[in-house]
Amino acid sequence: AAGVIQSPRHLIKEKRETATLKCYPIPRHDTVYWYQQGPGQDPQFLISFYEKMQSDKGSIPDRFSAQQFSDYHSELNMSSLELGDSALYFCASSPRYVKYEQYFGPGTRLTVT
Amino acid sequence: AQTVTQSQPEMSVQEAETVTLSCTYDTSESDYYLFWYKQPPSRQMILVIRQEAYKQQNATENRFSVNFQKAAKSFSLKISDSQLGDAAMYFCAYRSARTSYGKLTFGQGTILTVHP
Repeated sequence: AAGVIQSPRHLIKEKRETATLKCYPIPRHDTVYWYQQGPGQDPQFLISFYEKMQSDKGSIPDRFSAQQFSDYHSELNMSSLELGDSALYFCASSPRYVKYEQYFGPGTRLTVT
Repeated sequence: AQTVTQSQPEMSVQEAETVTLSCTYDTSESDYYLFWYKQPPSRQMILVIRQEAYKQQNATENRFSVNFQKAAKSFSLKISDSQLGDAAMYFCAYRSARTSYGKLTFGQGTILTVHP
């Protein structure tokens, strides 16, 4: 079965640089969620999109922005990177008619040096 | 705001034995979903089991079952016949049923070690 695809899987950036993370949801899934998991921590919700519109927003820094495109893939743009942004970033998607289930991608590990 | 608490940072079990992981949550809502996710060393988040708050019957998935106590706001996970592959971090998570696209709120996690 198809799964959520995230790219890249690993990313190393320097402070003050910009990073773009991509998420391709499972086919026929119309809702995308982004989570950030710091070292030794639980995942924290950042932002979600439903039918290409922002549906909810969590503790996402103003330096971060995201959008969902017409093909339902989503991108998380992170600017002015800080050391504290080093984390595992998960994307999850929900199917159109079973919204309570979220299927997670493998995550993108971002390291800021 | 909803909160989820896992009071056991670490648990261990012998292979083939049974272990129970605890989770409590706080919410003023009456309709919601509760989940247990497994995160092995690969860091992939894997859904283990789901419970709908409106259902009184406890959910069961093979060797995994839950004890859902709505009044006590408790949601524990029981793993029977533990296997080496069960070793992982386990997260309890809450999702409101108020919207169609509710976020997940996670507990702090419990590291489960399985001894051969």
